[in-house]
Amino acid sequence: QKEVEQDPGPLSVPEGAIVSLNCTYSNSAFQYFMWYRQYSRKGPELLMYTYSSGNKEDGRFTAQVDKSSKYISLFIRDSQPSDSATYLCAMSATGNNRLAFGKGNQVVVIP
Amino acid sequence: DTGVSQDPRHKITKRGQNVTFRCDPISEHNRLYWYRQTLGQGPEFLTYFQNEAQLEKSRLLSDRFSAERPKGSFSTLEIQRTEQGDSAMYLCASSSGLAGGPGYEQYFGPGTRLTVT
Repeated sequence: QKEVEQDPGPLSVPEGAIVSLNCTYSNSAFQYFMWYRQYSRKGPELLMYTYSSGNKEDGRFTAQVDKSSKYISLFIRDSQPSDSATYLCAMSATGNNRLAFGKGNQVVVIP
Repeated sequence: DTGVSQDPRHKITKRGQNVTFRCDPISEHNRLYWYRQTLGQGPEFLTYFQNEAQLEKSRLLSDRFSAERPKGSFSTLEIQRTEQGDSAMYLCASSSGLAGGPGYEQYFGPGTRLTVT
């Protein structure tokens, strides 16, 4: 079993819709949770960073962490065509060493 | 530009050749990480440095791979006797390493895309 599971299936939504992405994980030591956005052939760009359980909101983006279920989510409200990218979840145990990534979700927002 | 930079951006090499990549982290960051990403997968951790000390290496880092950060600033990743399976995007990231939230955020460079023919 991989440490981080993320259904890589492409997701197509109309402009303005809410995008919902999620990851599950098996390592109960993970405490730091991140979401990255990656455009084709570019490096990942940090979107959201959360420590432990709870919600965090930043503009149109909301990250949720449920450590009891080992489940994290990212919501994108009022999606725009410029949000079309691959979204990667990542997590680490101590915050200051390696990140374990999911496979990534390809999102396409249709104008 | 004060982000993480990597050089070269693309490298095509023949099997058996050696290649070296360079990463320049964000200037005040003392932690530097290398990851490898293949098509359709998330990045996989290879190794990381705190200043010039290499603190952790993944099992993915075979003896053909070596990384250095001689003065605690830029880092190099060398692959000897390249194989077709080494074809991937090699990503570098850095963080400030300061205790607590923002210090742990890892910022990635644009990557070096390696193609082994």
